[in-house]
Amino acid sequence: SAVISQKPSRDICQRGTSLTIQCQVDSQVTMMFWYRQQPGQSLTLIATANQGSEATYESGFVIDKFPISRPNLTFSTLTVSNMSPEDSSIYLCSVEPLSDTQYFGPGTRLTVL
Amino acid sequence: EDQVTQSPEALRLQEGESSSLNCSYTVSGLRGLFWYRQDPGKGPEFLFTLYSAGEEKEKERLKATLTKKESFLHITAPKPEDSATYLCAVQAETSNTGKLIFGQGTTLQVKP
Repeated sequence: SAVISQKPSRDICQRGTSLTIQCQVDSQVTMMFWYRQQPGQSLTLIATANQGSEATYESGFVIDKFPISRPNLTFSTLTVSNMSPEDSSIYLCSVEPLSDTQYFGPGTRLTVL
Repeated sequence: EDQVTQSPEALRLQEGESSSLNCSYTVSGLRGLFWYRQDPGKGPEFLFTLYSAGEEKEKERLKATLTKKESFLHITAPKPEDSATYLCAVQAETSNTGKLIFGQGTTLQVKP
């Protein structure tokens, strides 16, 4: 498995601003993932981030809105840009240290006013 | 379109009352089916991975089974600490991003 931490754990932000969420893992992993869990909904993949390459975004998610950095094999950031109340969600990062099995961080609970 | 449907949405059990949670899926070739447990305010906790029909995995009071169209999570003699939301997810063989497709989850409440 893997131990994953996220910062911040929660935040309340004003519309039009941006928030950067950090994800740190205790071992080197090739693949890191960012998911969104909207209120009352299940998890939806935003993008996959591999070290040394551009993130791959899922349909409905764009780089201008959710820029991702992956500077090394243990760290990634997700920025939620120009926020609106519809961006209020839990944002989760996950890693895949072993084949096919993803382990999740504790999540960042974002509220946009 | 690949999708996952879980039922029931919510389940209330008395302590010791065994039951099963259902996960029905349609996917263009199954690479793996995953069960997670999610407690309020926390990220999903990995429970099981199943790869092929007929496969079973067990952990304490939980047993997961897989057929070609669905998976069951059997809970035997549950305790109040088993109360949580249980999530099912699939990964398609055709995925080159590692994408997991999640169901809506079943929220289990076990009363003492």
